[in-house]
Amino acid sequence: DTEVTQTPKHLVMGMTNKKSLKCEQHMGHRAMYWYKQKAKKPPELMFVYSYEKLSINESVPSRFSPECPNSSLLNLHLHALQPEDSALYLCASSQETDTLSTGELFFGEGSRLTVL
Amino acid sequence: RKEVEQDPGPFNVPEGATVAFNCTYSNSASQSFFWYRQDCRKEPKLLMSVYSSGNEDGRFTAQLNRASQYISLLIRDSKLSDSATYLCVVNSGSARQLTFGSGTQLTVLP
Repeated sequence: DTEVTQTPKHLVMGMTNKKSLKCEQHMGHRAMYWYKQKAKKPPELMFVYSYEKLSINESVPSRFSPECPNSSLLNLHLHALQPEDSALYLCASSQETDTLSTGELFFGEGSRLTVL
Repeated sequence: RKEVEQDPGPFNVPEGATVAFNCTYSNSASQSFFWYRQDCRKEPKLLMSVYSSGNEDGRFTAQLNRASQYISLLIRDSKLSDSATYLCVVNSGSARQLTFGSGTQLTVLP
């Protein structure tokens, strides 16, 4: 079982809706990530939080808004999405961003988003 | 040229076969290297790190050739449960520089 939990597992939303994806980890990791993955493509980095501060935003459109309420939680707020935003959204954590030499990202199972 | 390139496959092999995947990377400053496995409609999971001296974990052997900038993964005695997409991941030094290859799909046939 994954130690990073994501909710909801599936989400269908219209282009005018506001929804949120949630992610939680209790491994004491200080870095948390949002990735987007389209079918048969690798994960694409969206955001990185390090010690609860946003450290990387990979030029993601403002209709995606991340939030890190505390060291265990990571949210992704969605508003006015487009159909092309339909994808699997993966949350991940690692001990710290500076120790990525270990390469171990722990991924959640993902939230599969469909935008109608 | 992509930063990390993999043969997408698919590789269809019979049970018990030996199969090898290669991955090439373009950034000579890359520091660390990994293979992840992703089952269909599931999340990626770390399979193994790749060390300069080569490393083995059971039926899996990973090798790194820094001079030629490629990484390999060898799977011996393939099992049905090895069917998955294998992602090559290269770290050039920061969270932004953790680059995923597009993956190689493996299907092990009975």
